[in-house]
Amino acid sequence: SAVISQKPSRDICQRGTSLTIQCQVDSQVTMMFWYRQQPGQSLTLIATANQGSEATYESGFVIDKFPISRPNLTFSTLTVSNMSPEDSSIYLCSVDVAGGGGELFFGEGSRLTVL
Amino acid sequence: SQKIEQNSEALNIQEGKTATLTCNYTNYSPAYLQWYRQDPGRGPVFLLLIRENEKEKRKERLKVTFDTTLKQSLFHITASQPADSATYLCALLNTGGFKTIFGAGTRLFVKA
Repeated sequence: SAVISQKPSRDICQRGTSLTIQCQVDSQVTMMFWYRQQPGQSLTLIATANQGSEATYESGFVIDKFPISRPNLTFSTLTVSNMSPEDSSIYLCSVDVAGGGGELFFGEGSRLTVL
Repeated sequence: SQKIEQNSEALNIQEGKTATLTCNYTNYSPAYLQWYRQDPGRGPVFLLLIRENEKEKRKERLKVTFDTTLKQSLFHITASQPADSATYLCALLNTGGFKTIFGAGTRLFVKA
């Protein structure tokens, strides 16, 4: 299992600003994923962040808008850049501790509201 | 195109009854199919995983079936309780892949 801490848990941001979300895991994991959950919607994968390599982004998500860092096996950050109201969502960090075993552990999410 | 479909309508059942939720998928070859529970304002919590070569998996009051011919999974909660009220998400990990893709979820309400 894994315990994941995300910061901030929620924030209200102004249009045009950027916010960095931190994800801390209590164990070393190779595979880390960032998801977005818009109000009333399911989870959409933004990118896969594996330590030692560049993040891999899904269709519709680009590095300039959502830069990701993965400096070590227990930590990652996701930045939401130049925010607009459409970026208002819950952003979730998750890990696959089995390295492809399927079961994901999630943080509690970071709820961003962009005014 | 690839789709994971769950009943978008909420499921309302009486306490003690069995809740059955459906997940259908198209254009996937899942190695694993998973079910997660999500409470409002919380991250999803893993419940059960079933592999492509398994037909059924049980855990306490939970049962999952997986029919790769029908491309469907059923998720059952027996002797349901009000505390089971939540959104239940179906998710797939494709064969040879490493990304888990989620369905939209079904909201379950269990009335006392």
